Order: sequence, then structure tokens, then C-alpha cells
Amino acid sequence: AQSVTQPDIHITVSEGASLELRCNYSYGATPYLFWYVQSPGQGLQLLLKYFSGDTLVQGIKGFEAEFKRSQSSFNLRKPSVHWSDAAEYFCAVVEDNDMRFGAGTRLTVKP
Amino acid sequence: KAGVTQTPRYLIKTRGQQVTLSCSPISGHRSVSWYQQTPGQGLQFLFEYFSETQRNKGNFPGRFSGRQFSNSRSEMNVSTLELGDSALYLCASSFEDGISSYTFGSGTRLTVV
Repeated sequence: AQSVTQPDIHITVSEGASLELRCNYSYGATPYLFWYVQSPGQGLQLLLKYFSGDTLVQGIKGFEAEFKRSQSSFNLRKPSVHWSDAAEYFCAVVEDNDMRFGAGTRLTVKP
Repeated sequence: KAGVTQTPRYLIKTRGQQVTLSCSPISGHRSVSWYQQTPGQGLQFLFEYFSETQRNKGNFPGRFSGRQFSNSRSEMNVSTLELGDSALYLCASSFEDGISSYTFGSGTRLTVV
């Protein structure tokens, strides 16, 4: 069955520290891959997406993600976290027009 | 350029009632998808409409239905509400392919009491 796994439910980092949020997927072919961010009470905002080509994708707000086919992963990274990055982050995968979301990782930023 | 607009933002209904939620997509977007978000189940796909036709459907009971109008606005309806239907309902719109340019609305928070 198709699945998207975000192993970390909750992550806490200090402001200015680096960040990596993990995402693994289970699909037959190379899917379309997305990262979204959700602030409390709000909808989802697209951070970045990968369809094909360069496996390192740059997004908004200083985020990037790397697609690793051999590991079926699409981890999200940011070199220096800001307090405003505190939110919930969702990895999503699309294959055959079917978009599936991971359970989300809640990011807390310590001052 | 206006974003995806969902109305109402908040709604409280009683068990057994029915509810209709509305979604106005970004101008020019023809695909509208609906998702249910709950703490226990996360984000689950309900259905997708394109050019007034349901193109894709998730695994929800028949109490959940939707439609799309000629101006691409979409409504979803839930009949015979259950407590478990309490959730944030999110709508997303995109161009024709339904996926690559998804933009989400802020959602409608439905509480069933």
C-alpha cells in the first residue's frame, strides 16, 4: 500500500540551529513530492515540490529538500531556524493524481 | 490575486444535522479538492472535482458529497452529522492537472455536538 512516513511527531530546536525533518515514502515509481507548512488554525502553505531533475530542491523561507531514490526519502532542511518557523510540517506524495500526506511533524523553536 | 476562500470559517452543528461548506478557488483554477484533517487521522482526501465532474474520490461514506459549479466554486455536504465528523475541512485548488499547483484555503472548522 502507498504510504508516507514522517518518523518524528515533534521536534524542538533552538533558534539559529539547523533543522532536518524526515520523510519516507513507499511507492512503486518516482512520485511527485511536496512539503507543506501549517500554522495553527490555518491552511497548508507549499514550501517546495519535486517532480524530476535536480534532486536538491530549493523552496521558500530558506528551506530545501533532497530526494534520495535509494532511501525513498525526501527530507526537509533549513540551515538556521527562525522563531517564526514554529509550525507543523507535512510531507506529501502524489502518484496517479492521489495525494497522500504524512502524519506531520510539529516544530517547536526555543529562544 | 485572491487566494482560495473557504466559508464559513467556523461552524457548530448538532448530531444528525447536515452541513454545506463552500470553497471558491483561485481565479483560473479549475480543479478543487477537499480534505478532512483530524488529530487522529491526519489529512485525508475526500474528493476532487474538475469541470463540474468528480474526478477522484477518497474512502469516505456516502454521507460526504460534493459538487462543482460552472464558475469552479465547489461545495461539500455532509448529511446526518456524527461527532466524528468534527474536523478542519480544507479545500485546495489548482490548474488542470489537479496536483502540481495546489493552493490551500484556510479551512472550515466544523464542530459537531
